[in-house]
Amino acid sequence: GNSVTQMEGPVTLSEEAFLTINCTYTATGYPSLFWYVQYPGEGLQLLLKATKADDKGSNKGFEATYRKETTSFHLEKGSVQVSDSAVYFCALSAPKLSFGAGTTVTVRA
Amino acid sequence: KAGVTQTPRYLIKTRGQQVTLSCSPISGHRSVSWYQQTPGQGLQFLFEYFSETQRNKGNFPGRFSGRQFSNSRSEMNVSTLELGDSALYLCASSFGGRGTYNEQFFGPGTRLTVL
Repeated sequence: GNSVTQMEGPVTLSEEAFLTINCTYTATGYPSLFWYVQYPGEGLQLLLKATKADDKGSNKGFEATYRKETTSFHLEKGSVQVSDSAVYFCALSAPKLSFGAGTTVTVRA
Repeated sequence: KAGVTQTPRYLIKTRGQQVTLSCSPISGHRSVSWYQQTPGQGLQFLFEYFSETQRNKGNFPGRFSGRQFSNSRSEMNVSTLELGDSALYLCASSFGGRGTYNEQFFGPGTRLTVL
């Protein structure tokens, strides 16, 4: 079946540090890939998406590239802010959404 | 455009009771999906409704049920509540296309506590 594996947290960083969260997937066919973010006390928000191989999704300084050869969709941001503290979920749609376990990121001033 | 709304936001029940949660999707969206989020199990898919019919179902016992109305609003019901049902229940809506691209928009969730 379809599944998503993402790096375990928690991850603690200082402001302006580089963030990367690894995500790999297993799926039949060609799923769409997503990163969702959940801020404390809120539901999930779509952060970025990619619908085919080599697509790069980007939003709010975050980027992720759909790598079919390595079945990966790693999330990166070059300079994090305190406001980026949240839980990040990698997900695939085929078409039902399957989520990774989530990675808690804390950014310290 | 209004987002996905869920009511109530917080709920406290006791074991053995039943509960009904409500979700209003984004206007024009015909698909509503429900998820359970717990610290131990993460995000787990409950079921999806499209045009008043259950289209997909996760691996939850029959105590968890749902329905969708003609205006796409959806309700989820949990009967005979157990302590382990304490969770954040998230609703998500989408246009509901059958392709792999299925962008879902999430509501803020209903926090259910079972005592």
